[in-house]
Amino acid sequence: AQTVTQSQPEMSVQEAETVTLSCTYDTSESDYYLFWYKQPPSRQMILVIRQEAYKQQNATENRFSVNFQKAAKSFSLKISDSQLGDAAMYFCAYRTSQGGSEKLVFGKGTKLTVNP
Amino acid sequence: DGGITQSPKYLFRKEGQNVTLSCEQNLNHDAMYWYRQDPGQGLRLIYYSQIVNDFQKGDIAEGYSVSREKKESFPLTVTSAQKNPTAFYLCASSIRGGAETQYFGPGTRLLVL
Repeated sequence: AQTVTQSQPEMSVQEAETVTLSCTYDTSESDYYLFWYKQPPSRQMILVIRQEAYKQQNATENRFSVNFQKAAKSFSLKISDSQLGDAAMYFCAYRTSQGGSEKLVFGKGTKLTVNP
Repeated sequence: DGGITQSPKYLFRKEGQNVTLSCEQNLNHDAMYWYRQDPGQGLRLIYYSQIVNDFQKGDIAEGYSVSREKKESFPLTVTSAQKNPTAFYLCASSIRGGAETQYFGPGTRLLVL
């Protein structure tokens, strides 16, 4: 079974600085999808970024980018120019590409604090 | 305004009572999902449905039931058999079952009196 590990329960960053959140996963599959979701105090899960395992190029969405290392099974999220609104729980998630298994497997999350 | 709505925002359950959480989407998505979130944990899948009148158990389906009579709606019933129902419940949907991105509703907080 696939597992997702986020080794940093909490992180903090100064406003306008850069922070990297770590995520590792365990799978025997070669094709899959990885996601980072943000959960602000409102508790709604918001998609931040998505990466297809077959793509070598790292995904980027404005100030958010990932460092996808397939061989190392690592999927870190970099937030540049951190803003106060980035403060939230961040969850890394894995999804198989095989049909019939629809779930997202989530890590336990990293709480990000942004200091003014 | 397209999206996923969940109601109520807070729900209180008495011992031995069944309660139903509502999830509605107007995104024309085929697939819908229910997740449970406990403090300090990620989300765990309860049930999912890829098409109307069909649904599948997730990892923690015991004590829960669902129905999918309409494409837009996927209600979750927490039965009295669920001994530890206090949690945050999130509904999600995606265009179709597969690798498509899942989008989430605002959630329902269930508390036991």
